[in-house]
Amino acid sequence: GAVVSQHPSWVICKSGTSVKIECRSLDFQATTMFWYRQFPKQSLMLMATSNEGSKATYEQGVEKDKFLINHASLTLSTLTVTSAHPEDSSFYICSTHRGFRGNEQFFGPGTRLTVL
Amino acid sequence: EDQVTQSPEALRLQEGESSSLNCSYTVSGLRGLFWYRQDPGKGPEFLFTLYSAGEEKEKERLKATLTKKESFLHITAPKPEDSATYLCAVEGFQKLVFGTGTRLLVSP
Repeated sequence: GAVVSQHPSWVICKSGTSVKIECRSLDFQATTMFWYRQFPKQSLMLMATSNEGSKATYEQGVEKDKFLINHASLTLSTLTVTSAHPEDSSFYICSTHRGFRGNEQFFGPGTRLTVL
Repeated sequence: EDQVTQSPEALRLQEGESSSLNCSYTVSGLRGLFWYRQDPGKGPEFLFTLYSAGEEKEKERLKATLTKKESFLHITAPKPEDSATYLCAVEGFQKLVFGTGTRLLVSP
């Protein structure tokens, strides 16, 4: 399967600051990447679909001005949480898809964000 | 709206005690049903994709099956290292919808 990395693996920040999370596809070029959020003991929820060279597509209820996504190259997508607040504390995971039919998603290791 | 329900929420087994996890789903136009394993503090690890009713896939002690309404993940003679949360997801129209998972604990 695909190899996906994320950086940082964890981050603690003060309320009101911005945090950038990087997602890299290490072994192939990904035109599409996905960003998920997972709260404790809850399901993974899709936040947005990141498309290389174009604007991201956000899911209903996700503030595009708060969660800025940039997919400037075929191997890198970034998620910036702007003006973070304690309720943004969560586990953020990116993925890319490939596979026999091109729809199997492979996930990064995740980034634990804690906002104080 | 696409929905996935997994049961049980948590399962405790003794080493060697076989069991099954259930994933019930409703989706408009199934493009695939996926099983993942997730360890605490890590991203999901891909296990299987199933595309049509009647399909089965196996990997070591795990076997996944699919019907038109549900999927089962059978675990045969589990070991402590099989302890994890097992997630089921379905793909409808270009979007993965996940269940909340089954937390499996295998005791030696």
